[in-house]
Amino acid sequence: DAGVIQSPRHEVTEMGQEVTLRCKPISGHNSLFWYRQTMMRGLELLIYFNNNVPIDDSGMPEDRFSAKMPNASFSTLKIQPSEPRDSAVYFCASREASGSSYNEQFFGPGTRLTVL
Amino acid sequence: RKEVEQDPGPFNVPEGATVAFNCTYSNSASQSFFWYRQDCRKEPKLLMSVYSSGNEDGRFTAQLNRASQYISLLIRDSKLSDSATYLCVGHNAGNMLTFGGGTRLMVKP
Repeated sequence: DAGVIQSPRHEVTEMGQEVTLRCKPISGHNSLFWYRQTMMRGLELLIYFNNNVPIDDSGMPEDRFSAKMPNASFSTLKIQPSEPRDSAVYFCASREASGSSYNEQFFGPGTRLTVL
Repeated sequence: RKEVEQDPGPFNVPEGATVAFNCTYSNSASQSFFWYRQDCRKEPKLLMSVYSSGNEDGRFTAQLNRASQYISLLIRDSKLSDSATYLCVGHNAGNMLTFGGGTRLMVKP
C-alpha cells in the first residue's frame, strides 16, 4: 500500500491567495483527519471525517478554512484567503473504523505551506 | 494549559545511555495513551501504546500512572538512530488524539 498520499508536498503562496491541500487516505480506511503543526502550537487536530461525514470541526481556526471529503478516497483542505500565520505543516491521517478500541492513525508526509 | 504537556528538551545523551521522558495529562477521561515518534521534517509514526499495566518493546518501556496522570517512556541503550522528537498522545472517547508538544532527543556518539 502506498500509505496516505498528500499533495502538494510544498506550497509557497502570497497572502490573500487561495490554497488547496489534497489527501488520499489508505484504501479501506474510513476515518480521515487533518492536522496542523507549528513550532508554537505543536500538532493540532483541525477536523475529522468518518465515512466521508465531518464529525468534529471544532479545531478549524476560522471561516477561512474549509474541508471536504466528496468520497472515500479523497479529501481537500482549503484556505481562502490565506494569511502568513497559516504557514505550517499540514498533515492528513487515516484510520480504520475502531468502535470503542483504538486503531492506529497513519499519517501522510505532510504539506509544508508558506504564506508570504 | 495544554491537555497533554511534555518537557520540550532537548535531551542530549551519549550512545548507550538510558533516558526517560515524562508527560502529564489533564483529561482524566482519556482512555488510552501512546508514544509517537517524529523524525525531523517527517510525519509522526506510532512507537508504542501505553496501558495501565505498562508496555515493553525491546529497549523501550512505557508506563501509565492514572492516579498521578502521567505517562513515561524509558529508552535503554540509546542508539544514534533514536534521535527524534517523541510525542505523548492521549486518546479520548470521541476517538480523537490529543498530542503533546513533543520532547526532542539527541543521541550523540
